[in-house]
Amino acid sequence: SQQGEEDPQALSIQEGENATMNCSYKTSINNLQWYRQNSGRGLVHLILIRSNEREKHSGRLRVTLDTSKKSSSLLITASRAADTASYFCATDAGSGNTGKLIFGQGTTLQVKP
Amino acid sequence: NAGVTQTPKFQVLKTGQSMTLQCAQDMNHEYMSWYRQDPGMGLRLIHYSVGAGITDQGEVPNGYNVSRSTTEDFPLRLLSAAPSQTSVYFCASSPRTASGANVLTFGAGSRLTVL
Repeated sequence: SQQGEEDPQALSIQEGENATMNCSYKTSINNLQWYRQNSGRGLVHLILIRSNEREKHSGRLRVTLDTSKKSSSLLITASRAADTASYFCATDAGSGNTGKLIFGQGTTLQVKP
Repeated sequence: NAGVTQTPKFQVLKTGQSMTLQCAQDMNHEYMSWYRQDPGMGLRLIHYSVGAGITDQGEVPNGYNVSRSTTEDFPLRLLSAAPSQTSVYFCASSPRTASGANVLTFGAGSRLTVL
Protein backbone atom coordinates (compact mmCIF):
# COMPACT_ATOMS: atom_id res chain seq x y z
CA SER A 1 0.00 0.00 0.00
CA GLN A 2 1.11 3.55 -0.54
CA GLN A 3 3.04 5.34 2.13
CA GLY A 4 1.47 8.76 1.75
CA GLU A 5 -2.11 9.86 1.85
CA GLU A 6 -2.92 13.40 0.82
CA ASP A 7 -5.71 15.69 1.74
CA PRO A 8 -7.64 17.25 0.13
CA GLN A 9 -7.71 15.32 -3.15
CA ALA A 10 -8.72 18.50 -4.97
CA LEU A 11 -8.51 22.18 -4.10
CA SER A 12 -9.80 25.20 -6.00
CA ILE A 13 -8.86 28.75 -4.96
CA GLN A 14 -8.63 32.25 -6.35
CA GLU A 15 -5.37 33.79 -7.41
CA GLY A 16 -3.69 35.51 -4.47
CA GLU A 17 -5.09 33.12 -1.87
CA ASN A 18 -3.00 30.61 0.05
CA ALA A 19 -3.21 26.89 -0.63
CA THR A 20 -2.55 24.24 2.01
CA MET A 21 -2.11 20.55 1.28
CA ASN A 22 -1.59 17.83 3.84
CA CYS A 23 0.19 14.51 3.69
CA SER A 24 0.15 11.62 6.15
CA TYR A 25 2.49 8.65 6.06
CA LYS A 26 2.71 5.31 7.80
CA THR A 27 6.27 4.33 8.60
CA SER A 28 9.36 6.04 9.93
CA ILE A 29 11.18 8.24 7.46
CA ASN A 30 14.56 9.87 6.92
CA ASN A 31 13.07 12.69 4.87
CA LEU A 32 9.94 13.80 3.07
CA GLN A 33 9.74 15.52 -0.28
CA TRP A 34 7.13 17.43 -2.26
CA TYR A 35 6.84 17.27 -6.05
CA ARG A 36 4.71 19.12 -8.56
CA GLN A 37 3.25 17.73 -11.78
CA ASN A 38 1.84 19.93 -14.48
CA SER A 39 -0.79 18.31 -16.69
CA GLY A 40 0.75 15.76 -19.04
CA ARG A 41 4.28 16.25 -17.72
CA GLY A 42 6.73 14.51 -15.42
CA LEU A 43 7.11 15.37 -11.75
CA VAL A 44 9.41 18.15 -10.63
CA HIS A 45 11.02 18.30 -7.20
CA LEU A 46 9.97 21.26 -5.04
CA ILE A 47 11.41 20.86 -1.56
CA LEU A 48 12.86 18.30 0.85
CA ILE A 49 12.55 18.31 4.62
CA ARG A 50 14.58 16.00 6.84
CA SER A 51 13.12 14.08 9.75
CA ASN A 52 14.95 16.28 12.26
CA GLU A 53 13.53 19.48 10.77
CA ARG A 54 10.14 20.94 11.64
CA GLU A 55 9.75 23.66 9.03
CA LYS A 56 11.39 24.69 5.80
CA HIS A 57 10.86 27.57 3.37
CA SER A 58 11.60 28.01 -0.31
CA GLY A 59 10.27 31.14 -1.96
CA ARG A 60 6.47 31.02 -1.63
CA LEU A 61 6.56 27.46 -0.33
CA ARG A 62 6.49 26.50 3.32
CA VAL A 63 6.68 22.88 4.42
CA THR A 64 6.12 21.59 7.93
CA LEU A 65 6.81 18.13 9.29
CA ASP A 66 5.42 16.53 12.45
CA THR A 67 7.05 13.13 12.87
CA SER A 68 5.03 12.37 16.01
CA LYS A 69 1.84 12.61 13.94
CA LYS A 70 3.49 11.27 10.80
CA SER A 71 2.22 14.21 8.80
CA SER A 72 3.43 17.08 6.66
CA SER A 73 1.84 20.12 5.09
CA LEU A 74 2.72 22.21 2.06
CA LEU A 75 1.64 25.85 2.03
CA ILE A 76 1.78 27.89 -1.15
CA THR A 77 1.35 31.58 -0.38
CA ALA A 78 -0.05 34.21 -2.75
CA SER A 79 -0.96 31.59 -5.34
CA ARG A 80 -0.79 32.25 -9.06
CA ALA A 81 -2.58 30.68 -12.01
CA ALA A 82 0.76 29.07 -12.91
CA ASP A 83 0.62 27.09 -9.63
CA THR A 84 -2.25 25.04 -11.09
CA ALA A 85 -0.89 21.47 -10.96
CA SER A 86 -0.96 18.27 -8.95
CA TYR A 87 1.20 18.10 -5.84
CA PHE A 88 2.61 14.90 -4.38
CA CYS A 89 4.39 14.10 -1.17
CA ALA A 90 6.97 11.33 -1.19
CA THR A 91 8.95 9.58 1.51
CA ASP A 92 11.86 7.19 1.56
CA ALA A 93 9.88 4.99 3.98
CA GLY A 94 13.10 4.62 5.96
CA SER A 95 14.77 2.77 3.10
CA GLY A 96 17.80 5.02 3.23
CA ASN A 97 20.12 5.63 0.30
CA THR A 98 18.38 3.66 -2.46
CA GLY A 99 16.66 6.26 -4.61
CA LYS A 100 13.38 4.52 -3.80
CA LEU A 101 10.49 6.83 -2.93
CA ILE A 102 6.89 6.07 -2.04
CA PHE A 103 4.39 8.64 -3.29
CA GLY A 104 1.03 9.78 -2.04
CA GLN A 105 -2.02 10.00 -4.25
CA GLY A 106 -1.64 13.72 -4.77
CA THR A 107 -3.65 16.91 -4.42
CA THR A 108 -4.93 18.61 -7.56
CA LEU A 109 -4.77 22.37 -7.18
CA GLN A 110 -6.65 24.76 -9.43
CA VAL A 111 -5.87 28.46 -9.11
CA LYS A 112 -8.45 30.62 -10.83
CA PRO A 113 -7.29 33.94 -12.28
CA ASN B 1 22.00 18.10 -20.31
CA ALA B 2 19.05 16.08 -21.61
CA GLY B 3 18.28 14.72 -18.11
CA VAL B 4 16.05 11.63 -18.21
CA THR B 5 14.85 10.62 -21.67
CA GLN B 6 11.98 8.19 -22.16
CA THR B 7 10.88 6.61 -25.42
CA PRO B 8 8.36 6.15 -26.85
CA LYS B 9 6.05 8.92 -25.62
CA PHE B 10 2.94 7.06 -26.79
CA GLN B 11 2.33 3.40 -27.59
CA VAL B 12 -0.70 1.27 -28.35
CA LEU B 13 -0.40 -2.49 -27.93
CA LYS B 14 -2.67 -5.44 -28.33
CA THR B 15 -3.15 -7.88 -25.46
CA GLY B 16 -0.32 -10.40 -25.43
CA GLN B 17 2.20 -8.27 -27.31
CA SER B 18 5.55 -7.45 -25.79
CA MET B 19 7.47 -4.22 -25.80
CA THR B 20 10.23 -2.31 -24.09
CA LEU B 21 10.02 1.19 -22.67
CA GLN B 22 13.40 2.85 -22.90
CA CYS B 23 14.91 5.12 -20.27
CA ALA B 24 18.27 6.85 -20.43
CA GLN B 25 19.89 9.43 -18.18
CA ASP B 26 23.04 11.45 -18.80
CA MET B 27 23.64 12.71 -15.26
CA ASN B 28 25.70 9.73 -14.08
CA HIS B 29 23.08 8.96 -11.43
CA GLU B 30 23.51 5.69 -9.56
CA TYR B 31 19.82 5.14 -8.84
CA MET B 32 17.05 4.63 -11.35
CA SER B 33 13.42 3.61 -10.98
CA TRP B 34 10.19 3.00 -12.85
CA TYR B 35 6.76 4.15 -11.69
CA ARG B 36 3.31 3.82 -13.14
CA GLN B 37 0.64 6.47 -12.67
CA ASP B 38 -3.03 5.64 -12.78
CA PRO B 39 -5.95 8.01 -12.13
CA GLY B 40 -6.55 8.41 -8.40
CA MET B 41 -3.65 6.11 -7.53
CA GLY B 42 -0.70 8.45 -7.51
CA LEU B 43 2.62 6.91 -8.53
CA ARG B 44 3.42 3.30 -7.71
CA LEU B 45 6.93 1.90 -7.83
CA ILE B 46 7.44 -0.98 -10.27
CA HIS B 47 11.19 -1.72 -10.13
CA TYR B 48 14.26 0.15 -9.07
CA SER B 49 18.04 -0.13 -9.37
CA VAL B 50 20.84 1.07 -7.11
CA GLY B 51 23.53 0.53 -9.72
CA ALA B 52 24.56 -1.35 -12.84
CA GLY B 53 23.75 -5.02 -12.46
CA ILE B 54 21.53 -4.50 -9.39
CA THR B 55 17.72 -4.35 -9.55
CA ASP B 56 14.92 -4.96 -7.11
CA GLN B 57 11.14 -5.09 -7.07
CA GLY B 58 8.89 -2.28 -6.01
CA GLU B 59 5.22 -2.30 -5.06
CA VAL B 60 3.75 -3.54 -8.37
CA PRO B 61 6.41 -5.62 -10.21
CA ASN B 62 4.23 -8.36 -11.73
CA GLY B 63 4.22 -8.42 -15.53
CA TYR B 64 7.36 -6.29 -15.83
CA ASN B 65 11.05 -7.09 -16.19
CA VAL B 66 14.04 -4.79 -15.87
CA SER B 67 17.77 -4.98 -16.27
CA ARG B 68 20.57 -2.47 -15.73
CA SER B 69 23.60 -3.30 -17.82
CA THR B 70 24.93 0.27 -17.81
CA THR B 71 24.67 3.26 -15.49
CA GLU B 72 22.84 5.24 -18.16
CA ASP B 73 20.07 2.86 -19.27
CA PHE B 74 17.20 1.21 -17.43
CA PRO B 75 14.69 -0.38 -19.84
CA LEU B 76 11.31 -1.69 -18.69
CA ARG B 77 10.00 -4.76 -20.49
CA LEU B 78 6.40 -5.88 -20.75
CA LEU B 79 6.52 -9.56 -21.66
CA SER B 80 2.83 -10.11 -22.46
CA ALA B 81 0.82 -6.91 -22.27
CA ALA B 82 -2.54 -6.89 -20.48
CA PRO B 83 -5.24 -4.18 -20.42
CA SER B 84 -4.45 -3.67 -16.70
CA GLN B 85 -1.06 -2.33 -17.79
CA THR B 86 -2.66 0.62 -19.54
CA SER B 87 -1.06 3.52 -17.71
CA VAL B 88 1.43 6.35 -17.85
CA TYR B 89 4.94 5.19 -17.04
CA PHE B 90 7.63 7.40 -15.55
CA CYS B 91 11.32 6.73 -15.27
CA ALA B 92 13.34 8.60 -12.66
CA SER B 93 16.94 8.84 -11.55
CA SER B 94 18.80 10.21 -8.56
CA PRO B 95 22.39 10.45 -7.39
CA ARG B 96 23.83 8.68 -4.38
CA THR B 97 24.30 11.25 -1.64
CA ALA B 98 26.22 11.25 1.62
CA SER B 99 23.09 12.33 3.48
CA GLY B 100 20.91 9.61 1.96
CA ALA B 101 18.44 12.22 0.67
CA ASN B 102 17.60 11.18 -2.88
CA VAL B 103 15.92 13.82 -5.05
CA LEU B 104 14.42 12.28 -8.18
CA THR B 105 14.66 13.68 -11.70
CA PHE B 106 11.78 12.40 -13.81
CA GLY B 107 11.38 11.75 -17.50
CA ALA B 108 8.41 13.16 -19.41
CA GLY B 109 6.50 9.88 -19.30
CA SER B 110 5.35 7.17 -21.69
CA ARG B 111 1.62 6.72 -22.20
CA LEU B 112 0.78 3.07 -22.91
CA THR B 113 -2.61 1.75 -24.00
CA VAL B 114 -3.24 -1.99 -24.16
CA LEU B 115 -6.30 -3.02 -26.16
